[in-house]
This record gives sequence, C-alpha cells and structure tokens, in this order.
Amino acid sequence: GAGVSQTPSNKVTEKGKYVELRCDPISGHTALYWYRQSLGQGPEFLIYFQGTGAADDSGLPNDRFFAVRPEGSVSTLKIQRTERGDSAVYLCASSLRQGARTEAFFGQGTRLTVV
Amino acid sequence: GQQLNQSPQSMFIQEGEDVSMNCTSSSIFNTWLWYKQDPGEGPVLLIALYKAGELTSNGRLTAQFGITRKDSFLNISASIPSDVGIYFCAGPTGGTSYGKLTFGQGTILTVHP
Repeated sequence: GAGVSQTPSNKVTEKGKYVELRCDPISGHTALYWYRQSLGQGPEFLIYFQGTGAADDSGLPNDRFFAVRPEGSVSTLKIQRTERGDSAVYLCASSLRQGARTEAFFGQGTRLTVV
Repeated sequence: GQQLNQSPQSMFIQEGEDVSMNCTSSSIFNTWLWYKQDPGEGPVLLIALYKAGELTSNGRLTAQFGITRKDSFLNISASIPSDVGIYFCAGPTGGTSYGKLTFGQGTILTVHP
C-alpha cells in the first residue's frame, strides 16, 4: 500500500496477557517511530528505529514494552503482562530518513483495550 | 521534559467563521509543526515552520512561528464542515528530526453547518 499500515486495527486483551502490534512502514522509509496516544491527549513518543537498530527508546514506559525491526522494514511493538493502563491507541510513523525537515507519515493506529 | 500547551481545548463555531488557536512552550523549539487528526486516523501534517517570525499558508490555513520561539499560532479562515477534527501542535526533540516529536494536548474543533 501507499501509506503506513498497522495491524490489527483493534485489539482487546485480558490483563496480564502478551500482545504484539505490527507496523508496515512506507516502502523505502528507513526511519520508523512508535507513539502512544491516550484518550484526550496528544501522541507520546515511545521509540524510534533507524534501519534495524533502536536509535532512541527513551519513551518506553518500562521493561514490559519492547520493539523490534529485524529487517529494517516491518516493526513489532511487544507488550508483556499487559495492564489496564496500557489501553491506548498505538501509532506508528515512518520517514524517508531521520533528519532535518523530513516529514514522518502516521498510520491509522492500533486501538488496544486491556480488560 | 518539554511540554506544549494548546488553547483553547475545544471550539464550537459556525461554518464560515474564522478560527484561531495557539500553542505555547516553556522551552524553545527550532521547528513548529501543526497536525490534524480525524477520528480513527493518525495525525496528518498541515504546516511546518522553520524560522522565528515565519508566516506560512496552506490554502485556508495560516500558521506563524513566534518570535520568542516559544509559541505558534494556527488560523483557519472561512471554516467548512470538513475542518472538524483535533488540531495538534508539535515540535521535534532530539535535533531537527520530524519523527521524535513532542505534541500538545490538542484543540478539538467542531463546525456547525
């Protein structure tokens, strides 16, 4: 597709379960970003990748959150032992590169609900 | 960390009216970005500002980069129903990349036909 694709669109899981959220960036984009958006708030940065490596994971809230991008394209955000407070929309964005004046394009997000 | 405060939090206007919203920061930003988010979608970039004092337009939208580098304004002229959505200001942290961004909490715009 032409844009950033995130799957699933919605995910409902039970407290304590493990979840994986997938992001397919725009083809050729080397930089990939994950954000979390709680209800009524702006997106909050979690982590970004330049190629396969996590260049900055300073926004990950704790060690239950982990993300990978093994081949420098698709990325998976993994959340262990989910808590009700993890409920939010998880947004992924990609850009051609990580640098000045380089627009990042967002996907539609995955709405995660922990019950 | 850096925080962006947007006002107003919400606006209810009649179609055809002009809209003005602003964003302030406790620290300096070297780039200001304005996004719009529709329900169920990710944010879409509307306008990017790179220089203090810069005034940039995109159709009916006009944004300004404040002289102090701590604020920015977005104006929408002659609003139409499809302007409905949430408008966010954002600024890059960690250099000038657009990807690692700090967002404001958003201004919710409702346009009555």
